[in-house]
Amino acid sequence: RKEVEQDPGPFNVPEGATVAFNCTYSNSASQSFFWYRQDCRKEPKLLMSVYSSGNEDGRFTAQLNRASQYISLLIRDSKLSDSATYLCAVRSSASKIIFGSGTRLSIRP
Amino acid sequence: GAVVSQHPSRVICKSGTSVKIECRSLDFQATTMFWYRQFPKQSLMLMATSNEGSKATYEQGVEKDKFLINHASLTLSTLTVTSAHPEDSSFYICSAPDRTAATNEKLFFGSGTQLSVL
Repeated sequence: RKEVEQDPGPFNVPEGATVAFNCTYSNSASQSFFWYRQDCRKEPKLLMSVYSSGNEDGRFTAQLNRASQYISLLIRDSKLSDSATYLCAVRSSASKIIFGSGTRLSIRP
Repeated sequence: GAVVSQHPSRVICKSGTSVKIECRSLDFQATTMFWYRQFPKQSLMLMATSNEGSKATYEQGVEKDKFLINHASLTLSTLTVTSAHPEDSSFYICSAPDRTAATNEKLFFGSGTQLSVL
C-alpha cells in the first residue's frame, strides 16, 4: 500500500464550480500535511499547510482528519487559473516528505 | 524568502554519459536536501535524502551507485546520474526543508532539471 494515496482525476469542471480533493495516508505517526500546486514541468508551489483545526485561504479550504487519516482540499468559485495538478504531501516521522500521485484539475470556461 | 537554485534546467545527453545536477541554497543553510524524480504525469518520487557531511540515505529501489549524491557543504548538494540511459530520462528536482518553523516544515524547491537521454 502506498504511503500517500490520492485520486489522480482528472477533474474537468466549469468555471465557478466547487471542487474537492482527498488524500489518505497510511502512517498514523505522520506529523505535517500540505497541499501543493504544480504546473506542467515546473516545481511544486506550496498552496497551504493543513492543520487539525482546518484552515482557509480565500477560496481554498484544507481539512485534516487524523482519526480517518485523510486530508482534503476544497476550491470554491474555481477560476481558469486554478487549472493545475494538486499534490498532497505528508511528512512522516522520519522527516521525509512523501507526495501523493497528484490530481489533475482542468477548469473550462 | 529562502531560495534553492538548481541547474542545469535542461540536459540532453547521449546514452552512457554522466550528468551532474547542482542545487544551491541561497540565503540559508540546508543541512538536508531531498532529491525527487518525476516521470510524465506521475508524482514526485523521493529518491534520496542527502545530509551535509554524511552519506545520503536512499529510498528502496534506488541504486546508490547509479545516482551519486554529494552534500559537501551547507549550501550545495549534487546529484550525478552515472552512465545515463534513456530510462533515466525524467524531471529531477531538489528541495530543502525550512527548519525555521518548529512544527510545520515546508519545502523550498529548486526549479527542476529535465534530463533527456538519447
